[in-house]
Amino acid sequence: LAKTTQPISMDSYEGQEVNITCSHNNIATNDYITWYQQFPSQGPRFIIQGYKTKVTNEVASLFIPADRKSSTLSLPRVSLSDTAVYYCLVGDPTTSGTYKYIFGTGTRLKVLA
Amino acid sequence: DTAVSQTPKYLVTQMGNDKSIKCEQNLGHDTMYWYKQDSKKFLKIMFSYNNKELIINETVPNRFSPKSPDKAHLNLHINSLELGDSAVYFCASSQDLVAGGEAQYFGPGTRLLVL
Repeated sequence: LAKTTQPISMDSYEGQEVNITCSHNNIATNDYITWYQQFPSQGPRFIIQGYKTKVTNEVASLFIPADRKSSTLSLPRVSLSDTAVYYCLVGDPTTSGTYKYIFGTGTRLKVLA
Repeated sequence: DTAVSQTPKYLVTQMGNDKSIKCEQNLGHDTMYWYKQDSKKFLKIMFSYNNKELIINETVPNRFSPKSPDKAHLNLHINSLELGDSAVYFCASSQDLVAGGEAQYFGPGTRLLVL
């Protein structure tokens, strides 16, 4: 099973760049890496997804090294509203050949003024 | 328009009761999911349906029975509720059930409290 390991929590200040790294040593060839954000009392929200190298959208960047055993979510110039839990997921093949996501403990990011 | 909606938002009930949670998505997606998030905030998949067919059924007590009347709806019925069923239940959908490559869209959650 492809599991992920992330720091449990991080603190940052407004305006700083935040990098959250996720380890996924057993990532499979067909797996994508996906990051979600969850605010209190809300469902997780898709942020970004990638397979290799670098992906950037209006919200974040995702850096994936060539071996794909880790990935780094980069949030530029965070604000107080970015305080949330961030989950790193990889696609996980089951014995039946279908895929399911396993959400880990996530990283609790707290942005301070 | 809400992409993935759930009803009710809050559900407080007694042990032993039977209750249902409804989920609807208007994204035209083929795959829907139920997740459970416990008090420690661990989010675990329970079921997945693709085109109304059950695809993933995790180790969930058979008191939990999902039903998908059509691709846009996935309801969760829970019989004989127990204290340990208290959690937040999230519905989600994705375009398809592809090898780890599909983003899921989550509903707002249903907060179930069993007394």
